[in-house]
Amino acid sequence: QSALTQPASVSGSPGQSITISCTGTSSDVGAYNYVSWYQQHPGKAPKLMIYDVSSRPLGVSNRFSGSKSGNTASLTISGLQAEDEADYYCSSYTSSSHVVFGGGTKVTVL
Amino acid sequence: QVQLQQWGAGLLTPSETLSLTCAVYGGSFSSYYWSWIRQPPGKGLEWVGEFTQSGNTNYNPSLKSRVTISVDTSNNQVSLNLRSVTAADTAVYYCARPGVTRYCSNGVCLKYYYYMDVWGKGTTVTVSS
Repeated sequence: QSALTQPASVSGSPGQSITISCTGTSSDVGAYNYVSWYQQHPGKAPKLMIYDVSSRPLGVSNRFSGSKSGNTASLTISGLQAEDEADYYCSSYTSSSHVVFGGGTKVTVL
Repeated sequence: QVQLQQWGAGLLTPSETLSLTCAVYGGSFSSYYWSWIRQPPGKGLEWVGEFTQSGNTNYNPSLKSRVTISVDTSNNQVSLNLRSVTAADTAVYYCARPGVTRYCSNGVCLKYYYYMDVWGKGTTVTVSS
């Protein structure tokens, strides 16, 4: 199974909105509405931010939103804050009943 | 509040077997899947595999020939064994609990376990001669 494709880096100024893309195939992202997103700060375990494409766990800010079109899922962070600077990973359920992650995107707050 | 506590040997020589254990505190054990994910230094996350509610296992095809995930239900623990390690297996290893999404259609309901909603703190494993 090949990793999902994410941009290596995305940056934005405080208050702006940024979007991170996650491209898979018709066997994973395109096949199911089972895409999740994780935030990881240096030296920490990942934290679930979005699941089922657009659902937020309790306690996650509504500045984080998810969507999907075809084989590409997206994570949007609105009202960018300094604390949002981190690595972000997408993940998808696959037709093989496995889980595949994206390569990760480093978000920089300018 | 479910908590996952991990432990295991942090330094291995090539060809040895990596063995990690993850203890689950504060929640149901048998009702869930249990997964392992790893992250090489400076790189992204890689799904290693999972142990399902029904006692089955699913593994990343790239590791399938070397990996075994098992559980000890009497102690609420899940273990990872990875045989014949090389430097490429150097990584932080996380145990995690997948959340469940239910999908029902035409009276048939399926469950999908794929998003990791609880994570251990990670165990750093280095393989070096």
